[in-house]
Amino acid sequence: DSGVTQTPKHLITATGQRVTLRCSPRSGDLSVYWYQQSLDQGLQFLIQYYNGEERAKGNILERFSAQQFPDLHSELNLSSLELGDSALYFCASSGGTRAYNEQFFGPGTRLTVL
Amino acid sequence: AQKVTQAQTEISVVEKEDVTLDCVYETRDTTYYLFWYKQPPSGELVFLIRRNSFDEQNEISGRYSWNFQKSTSSFNFTITASQVVDSAVYFCALRLFGNEKLTFGTGTRLTIIP
Repeated sequence: DSGVTQTPKHLITATGQRVTLRCSPRSGDLSVYWYQQSLDQGLQFLIQYYNGEERAKGNILERFSAQQFPDLHSELNLSSLELGDSALYFCASSGGTRAYNEQFFGPGTRLTVL
Repeated sequence: AQKVTQAQTEISVVEKEDVTLDCVYETRDTTYYLFWYKQPPSGELVFLIRRNSFDEQNEISGRYSWNFQKSTSSFNFTITASQVVDSAVYFCALRLFGNEKLTFGTGTRLTIIP
């Protein structure tokens, strides 16, 4: 158990809908990262927050947004969902912004868009 | 831009055999960090090891060992006396100094046959 929690574990929804994925980092970790794992794109970095502020952005679509709250939990919002958004979404956390800090991953949220 | 290549898509070995998973990376940066993660059938990503670019010392942890060679830009992972529980997808990843994201390879699916 990495100490990172994600809810829900599974999510099934329809095209055009909007969903929110939630992540709680390990106790004391200030950085939260979101990754998407899909069959065609592999594991891709989406976005990172550090202590409530956006720190780095990757291949995140404009339909997707995220935020980190004062209690350090984070939410990833996916809107106008398309079939291609079906994927496993991981949240990871680390203790800071030092490049060598290991990122510990949550169990993931499997999103299925029908 | 950085890149991680795991040329072996799938490997199957009989239990107790040794197996090496290859990882080749590309970056122009001189300071970077390499990681291996394990993704068992349950889906979570488990951190295995971090290696800094300025530390080429090989590492052994039980049945696991890692061979880092800057001259060939490789960071290979060997499992000795493999066990069925080692069956998983293994990902190699690269993180540059000053950059927050992990760049993952496409993964190697390892199947240990009893």
